[in-house]
Amino acid sequence: DAGVIQSPRHEVTEMGQEVTLRCKPISGHNSLFWYRQTMMRGLELLIYFNNNVPIDDSGMPEDRFSAKMPNASFSTLKIQPSEPRDSAVYFCASRTGANVLTFGAGSRLTVL
Amino acid sequence: GQQVMQIPQYQHVQEGEDFTTYCNSSTTLSNIQWYKQRPGGHPVFLIQLVKSGEVKKQKRLTFQFGEAKKNSSLHITATQTTDVGTYFCAGQGNQGGKLIFGQGTELSVKP
Repeated sequence: DAGVIQSPRHEVTEMGQEVTLRCKPISGHNSLFWYRQTMMRGLELLIYFNNNVPIDDSGMPEDRFSAKMPNASFSTLKIQPSEPRDSAVYFCASRTGANVLTFGAGSRLTVL
Repeated sequence: GQQVMQIPQYQHVQEGEDFTTYCNSSTTLSNIQWYKQRPGGHPVFLIQLVKSGEVKKQKRLTFQFGEAKKNSSLHITATQTTDVGTYFCAGQGNQGGKLIFGQGTELSVKP
């Protein structure tokens, strides 16, 4: 089992550019979560999906952020346009039937 | 909305000393989970508590869930340098729902 796979691991971009983060959950896990981690705000839940359907997106900061899960094996988090305050580590996690979250290694985003 | 508060934010101990972190929820929880994140790493699941007043142990780690299911604690006995990292509690209001993380307690251990 390769675990939850995220890409890219690191992204440096300029303000105003579009950023797309990708996640492949563990096969068989039917829930997927996107979290953002910063020193100031800790681990914030952005959005989560059950069976590919967005259940709660109340944590999505604003319209610049969007997330999709077109199928059970793939999800994206898009920021357009990006801003320096979006700099953070973005984690994707998938959940087992036993209610345990398995996190990916994270995508470290730096917006200049 | 549901909030999970965790204290202290930082804890520096000498190797061999004990360590405790506390977690409080603004609402009654269905269950609480604990995760550990090593420096530069990602959160890794440690344990889940479901029952009121539940106590679970993993070697030197003791986890408690309060009677009212609104608070929890993690106690490490005789810390080791391998215990270094940030410990997060995460509360769930209803089974299968979203998991809200506390701010975490960063533990450093001086050899």
